[in-house]
Amino acid sequence: AQSVTQLGSHVSVSEGALVLLRCNYSSSVPPYLFWYVQYPNQGLQLLLKYTSAATLVKGINGFEAEFKKSETSFHLTKPSAHMSDAAEYFCAVSDSSYKLIFGSGTRLLVRP
Amino acid sequence: DADVTQTPRNRITKTGKRIMLECSQTKGHDRMYWYRQDPGLGLRLIYYSFDVKDINKGEISDGYSVSRQAQAKFSLSLESAIPNQTALYFCATSEGGLAGAWNEQFFGPGTRLTVL
Repeated sequence: AQSVTQLGSHVSVSEGALVLLRCNYSSSVPPYLFWYVQYPNQGLQLLLKYTSAATLVKGINGFEAEFKKSETSFHLTKPSAHMSDAAEYFCAVSDSSYKLIFGSGTRLLVRP
Repeated sequence: DADVTQTPRNRITKTGKRIMLECSQTKGHDRMYWYRQDPGLGLRLIYYSFDVKDINKGEISDGYSVSRQAQAKFSLSLESAIPNQTALYFCATSEGGLAGAWNEQFFGPGTRLTVL
């Protein structure tokens, strides 16, 4: 069965610093992987997705993620954090019946 | 106008009451989903529907029921609400077909439910 693990329920960075949010997956088949972001008092919106076309995936707002099969990872990065990036981020994997399995989420705090 | 809408946005109810949360979408998607979000647990799937005649239980369906009234409408009911059903509830939609595994899900703004 597919699953995802997000390491760190909270990550705090300074404005302008590198953002690294970790996600490891478990899947018995080639996975489809997603990162979603949830801003305060809003629903989730898609940041980016991996569908096997390219291992480095670029998303919205300067975020990108790299699929590493050998490490079963799909970490999310952004070179320079902005205050507006403060939100909760969810990694998800699509299972064999096309449902999404979400990780527990990582709350990103950006310090001025 | 929002593509996926949920009503109500906030609801406080008492233990034992029946409550219905409604979801409507204008995206023309076949697939609809109900999730609940609890702190530290992420989103967990309650029910999902791949078309009007298709209803499936998700990970945590006990205590919930759903109705797919039309392609655009998917309602979630709590037959007899209990305090541990206090949570943030999200409706989502996605396209169907063979590309379903990598189709983006589009989320509504959520309903915050408190059961006293």
